[in-house]
Amino acid sequence: KNQVEQSPQSLIILEGKNCTLQCNYTVSPFSNLRWYKQDTGRGPVSLTIMTFSENTKSNGRYTATLDADTKQSSLHITASQLSDSASYICVVSGSYNTDKLIFGTGTRLQVFP
Amino acid sequence: EAQVTQNPRYLITVTGKKLTVTCSQNMNHEYMSWYRQDPGLGLRQIYYSMNVEVTDKGDVPEGYKVSRKEKRNFPLILESPSPNQTSLYFCASSSSGGPREQFFGPGTRLTVL
Repeated sequence: KNQVEQSPQSLIILEGKNCTLQCNYTVSPFSNLRWYKQDTGRGPVSLTIMTFSENTKSNGRYTATLDADTKQSSLHITASQLSDSASYICVVSGSYNTDKLIFGTGTRLQVFP
Repeated sequence: EAQVTQNPRYLITVTGKKLTVTCSQNMNHEYMSWYRQDPGLGLRQIYYSMNVEVTDKGDVPEGYKVSRKEKRNFPLILESPSPNQTSLYFCASSSSGGPREQFFGPGTRLTVL
């Protein structure tokens, strides 16, 4: 069964600290992996999209890595800010239907001053 | 401004009273999709549309209908809402070709009593 699992479920860090969120998937065949940020009560917003051939991609203080061999991805947030408080969702697309997205349940990040 | 809009944003209704949630995008996207988001679960796809007059079921289509008569609009119809359809609903759209970024609307919070 195609699944996307994220860890931890929730995370609390202090402002200015770094953190790393994990994503493991079993989707096969694989097309691409995305990280979304979702503020409470709002729609997800894309942070990065990585295809099979890419192993890292950055968007400002967000850096995503992908290991397609082990089917793992991580999202690293550098120098966290209060505005980083949100849910971060890992989303995988299979190559048979690239429009079919399989969503993880997300990691809830809280950044405190 | 490029965006996906949904209306209404909040709706409280009673069991069995037909309702429609509208979705509109101004980016000339071919692909549109509806998702629902429930606590502890990842976003789940209800229906999607590859283009005008082309729609197909997602993972949880029971109790929902859609239509795509115009490229920009993709309404979600609940003919006879039930309490288990209480959820947060998101519409999304994307262009065709490659690993396409999906743009999400702001969400519609539906409560069925």
